[in-house]
Amino acid sequence: GQSLEQPSEVTAVEGAIVQINCTYQTSGFYGLSWYQQHDGGAPTFLSYNALDGLEETGRFSSFLSRSDSYGYLLLQELQMKDSASYFCAVMDSSYKLIFGSGTRLLVRP
Amino acid sequence: GAVVSQHPSWVICKSGTSVKIECRSLDFQATTMFWYRQFPKQSLMLMATSNEGSKATYEQGVEKDKFLINHASLTLSTLTVTSAHPEDSSFYICSASSEGGSGELFFGEGSRLTVL
Repeated sequence: GQSLEQPSEVTAVEGAIVQINCTYQTSGFYGLSWYQQHDGGAPTFLSYNALDGLEETGRFSSFLSRSDSYGYLLLQELQMKDSASYFCAVMDSSYKLIFGSGTRLLVRP
Repeated sequence: GAVVSQHPSWVICKSGTSVKIECRSLDFQATTMFWYRQFPKQSLMLMATSNEGSKATYEQGVEKDKFLINHASLTLSTLTVTSAHPEDSSFYICSASSEGGSGELFFGEGSRLTVL
């Protein structure tokens, strides 16, 4: 079967750095994506890794290790508005995007 | 980025009625659209892949006769929840990808269905 594992909840303080890990097991792999979703809203795209290594986009970075079937999302200089759910997602061999269970990030003052 | 519009945003209906949700790609042509369902505090579960001009491909466990999907044009896919029941109450989200396989899906705003 297909599965993506990520922590259910993470809490951090404003200005801190937090890392959200994701391990996956899927049929085929065309890349690991990360999405942010605020309560009541639709997911918004954050990043995509097709190759091993670190991709940086402003305060957010995403890492992928295909040999370990592992990736993470790194959020720096946390702000209150970063409180949201974060989903890793894998594009499988059918080009379908399969989502992880989501990590609820709570940023405290 | 590309824009996907979904309508309606909210719908409340009586048990036994049918509800249609529209998903439009506003500034690009989408040969493939995806329909997801999300229950509160849970992940997005792929229901089906909507293919323009052909039948949708449903994920295991999703009733194709209950969730009718039509993709009549390159910019419009519809999901009809037939004979809705309270357990069908959920957040339904469509998405589409533009060409290039960048790994980015563009999501509609979502439709929150409440069946009384």
